[in-house]
Amino acid sequence: GAVVSQHPSRVICKSGTSVKIECRSLDFQATTMFWYRQFPKKSLMLMATSNEGSKATYEQGVEKDKFLINHASLTLSTLTVTSAHPEDSSFYICSARLAGGADTQYFGPGTRLTVL
Amino acid sequence: QQQVKQSPQSLIVQKGGISIINCAYENTAFDYFPWYQQFPGKGPALLIAIRPDVSEKKEGRFTISFNKSAKQFSLHIMDSQPGDSATYFCAATGGSNYKLTFGKGTLLTVNP
Repeated sequence: GAVVSQHPSRVICKSGTSVKIECRSLDFQATTMFWYRQFPKKSLMLMATSNEGSKATYEQGVEKDKFLINHASLTLSTLTVTSAHPEDSSFYICSARLAGGADTQYFGPGTRLTVL
Repeated sequence: QQQVKQSPQSLIVQKGGISIINCAYENTAFDYFPWYQQFPGKGPALLIAIRPDVSEKKEGRFTISFNKSAKQFSLHIMDSQPGDSATYFCAATGGSNYKLTFGKGTLLTVNP
């Protein structure tokens, strides 16, 4: 149980284009989903917290107009990287928290974004 | 303070040995402390977690020891195997936002 999927697993795009990454909780409902960015050999950096049906809360320094987050249902959140540039190349990981107040976060497998 | 300090940065252990990773925190509002295991190119996987009301939790070869007064917790991997070679992250959370504060990670290498 508690499986989180991400799609796509890898994406390569040209500079200036937009890329959408999906995060789905497959066997549970997730009130809250989180989006992280991870650089090579580094820890996870929280980008934003996404609650179903409401606007995402972004961490300090994260451009909300560049990283658009939508949490349309209890099982799906999307991250759209708009007007991507090479410096946006990174490993993006989502996590989902079980509805009902549990603290546990389950992570997706990650999406490797490469912007040329 | 939201920081979680993790050590060591890297660790090499022989097969069958005990791997020990330590974390320390400052925020007394933290009340949930998970450990995650991450393989290269994969997302973190929850290994084991503990709350401050117990001093130790064991699941298979993995044990968390928790010292509330010292604000420290550690992961012990018994009978370490080459397949345990991965990066391990400690984390902590507390309060209504459920945000995880991560340590910087420990790269564990278990030699055969």
